[in-house]
Amino acid sequence: GAVVSQHPSWVICKSGTSVKIECRSLDFQATTMFWYRQFPKQSLMLMATSNEGSKATYEQGVEKDKFLINHASLTLSTLTVTSAHPEDSSFYICSAPNPDRVNFDSYNSPLHFGNGTRLTVT
Amino acid sequence: GDSVTQMEGPVTLSEEAFLTINCTYTATGYPSLFWYVQYPGEGLQLLLKATKADDKGSNKGFEATYRKETTSFHLEKGSVQVSDSAVYFCALSRNTGGFKTIFGAGTRLFVKA
Repeated sequence: GAVVSQHPSWVICKSGTSVKIECRSLDFQATTMFWYRQFPKQSLMLMATSNEGSKATYEQGVEKDKFLINHASLTLSTLTVTSAHPEDSSFYICSAPNPDRVNFDSYNSPLHFGNGTRLTVT
Repeated sequence: GDSVTQMEGPVTLSEEAFLTINCTYTATGYPSLFWYVQYPGEGLQLLLKATKADDKGSNKGFEATYRKETTSFHLEKGSVQVSDSAVYFCALSRNTGGFKTIFGAGTRLFVKA
């Protein structure tokens, strides 16, 4: 159980276009999802916290107008990279807290991850 | 701010060797600590966790003990297998009014037959 599906697994787009990445919780509901970015040989950097029914919370330094997050339902969060540029090329990963924990503020909850999306902007 | 530091890789071992991957953290209060593993071509998955000082997390032969006095959470396994080849991430999570998980840079492990 607790499967997070992320789509697409890879995408190549031209500079100036927008790309949407979907993150779905397949067998549980997720009121909160997290979006990470991973650079080669570096750690996962938290970009934003996606909240169902309300605005996303962005980390310092992350452009909210460039990385649009929508959490339209309890099973779907989307990240749209708008007007993509080559420097946006990266590996993007979504995650959701353990659905067994009712209190999503519980920091004891481990995360379930999607398989990531490799974005290449040419 | 909170941070996690883990040893740089790659780490290359022969099958049945002893494994240690060091992890230290900086955080105020009492964070929960995790090890996640990413096998080739797959997403990250939880390997083990510990939620308070002196707790030992264990899974699949891996162990890590939450050491508050040294702010460490080193990952160990007595006898590694080829199938353990993966990237290992140390992470912490702390109640910040919601919660966030902070990851170390990851350590790639290669196990040779």
